[in-house]
Amino acid sequence: QKEVEQNSGPLSVPEGAIASLNCTYSDRGSQSFFWYRQYSGKSPELIMFIYSNGDKEDGRFTAQLNKASQYVSLLIRDSQPSDSATYLCAVNFDTGRRALTFGSGTRLQVQP
Amino acid sequence: NAGVTQTPKFRILKIGQSMTLQCAQDMNHNYMYWYRQDPGMGLKLIYYSVGAGITDKGEVPNGYNVSRSTTEDFPLRLELAAPSQTSVYFCASSYSQGMGEKLFFGSGTQLSVL
Repeated sequence: QKEVEQNSGPLSVPEGAIASLNCTYSDRGSQSFFWYRQYSGKSPELIMFIYSNGDKEDGRFTAQLNKASQYVSLLIRDSQPSDSATYLCAVNFDTGRRALTFGSGTRLQVQP
Repeated sequence: NAGVTQTPKFRILKIGQSMTLQCAQDMNHNYMYWYRQDPGMGLKLIYYSVGAGITDKGEVPNGYNVSRSTTEDFPLRLELAAPSQTSVYFCASSYSQGMGEKLFFGSGTQLSVL
């Protein structure tokens, strides 16, 4: 069974710090990787996607991918209380289906 | 554009009842999906569709049925509701399935089966 693993948290960081969220996946052949943010009681919204090894930066967010280690991470710089949410890692395992498999999410709390 | 619209937002069912969760999108997206999210968990794929008339099973299809007669609509049918189907249901759509293709989610339906 193809799986996406995340630490459920909560991960608590002070305002202004760097939050580091991690995700591992089970299929070395996976092609694309996504980070979604979900506020309590709301639907997920896409933050970033990455499909090449290395780093991808978008504002305060950086996604990092290491396919050899089957590891993807999300760094949030200068964390704000408004970043407090659950962050879902999603992986496209099946190139034919291209439907995403989601991890259970990591809850981030940014303390003012 | 309204995006992806789900109805109802909340519903309580008795065991054994049936219902249809409605999903409609006005973005002319080919691909549509139904996910369920149990408390503290990620999203599990129930069914998906790559276009009108074409549907396929996801990870957890048992107890559900879908149809896709138009590009816009993708209803999810629950037959003989069971407590295990208590969950939040999200419908989503995307224009294609290319690398990095963004999923647009509806606001969800919170379903309780008692």
